[in-house]
Amino acid sequence: GAVVSQHPSRVICKSGTSVKIECRSLDFQATTMFWYRQFPKKSLMLMATSNEGSKATYEQGVEKDKFLINHASLTLSTLTVTSAHPEDSSFYICSARGNEKLFFGSGTQLSVL
Amino acid sequence: LAKTTQPISMDSYEGQEVNITCSHNNIATNDYITWYQQFPSQGPRFIIQGYKTKVTNEVASLFIPADRKSSTLSLPRVSLSDTAVYYCLVGAGTASKLTFGTGTRLQVTL
Repeated sequence: GAVVSQHPSRVICKSGTSVKIECRSLDFQATTMFWYRQFPKKSLMLMATSNEGSKATYEQGVEKDKFLINHASLTLSTLTVTSAHPEDSSFYICSARGNEKLFFGSGTQLSVL
Repeated sequence: LAKTTQPISMDSYEGQEVNITCSHNNIATNDYITWYQQFPSQGPRFIIQGYKTKVTNEVASLFIPADRKSSTLSLPRVSLSDTAVYYCLVGAGTASKLTFGTGTRLQVTL
């Protein structure tokens, strides 16, 4: 099946710093990628839809200035958590659609101290 | 977006067949049904996808009745390593976003 690579898998940062998470489709091109957030023992919550070459579409309640998304190529989308605070600590997961199926990255555990 | 409803949790013994049913009463004509498995601290993994009737692959079967308002994921002879959360998603199209429901937490024991 298609492979989606996400890194880093784990990041610890100080409050106030910014963190960038990368999501790559390794063997297919993805004009659309999705970013999810997941809290412990909860389901995945869609944050935004990343569109190659255009602005991302954010879900209601998601701050676009806090979670910057860039989709500059057909194989790479990045999520930058700006001025991170402890409440931003969470598991972030990206996905991309290939062959009519949605494939997910392995996730990034963000811990903000 | 079609909303899905699944049991919150299920328990099974190793070696048994497990059937997890998902309700999606407002599924659209062009929607596919896809099931994912998620282990802790990992991204969801694709299990199986179908549109109607029955689909089978090397790990599971998916049963979809004619009205498509529900679907059942069947896992034959589960093992301890099948302990995970299973999500049923409904959606269509290359750009269609998929919304996750609560998922079903399957616990397999000896």
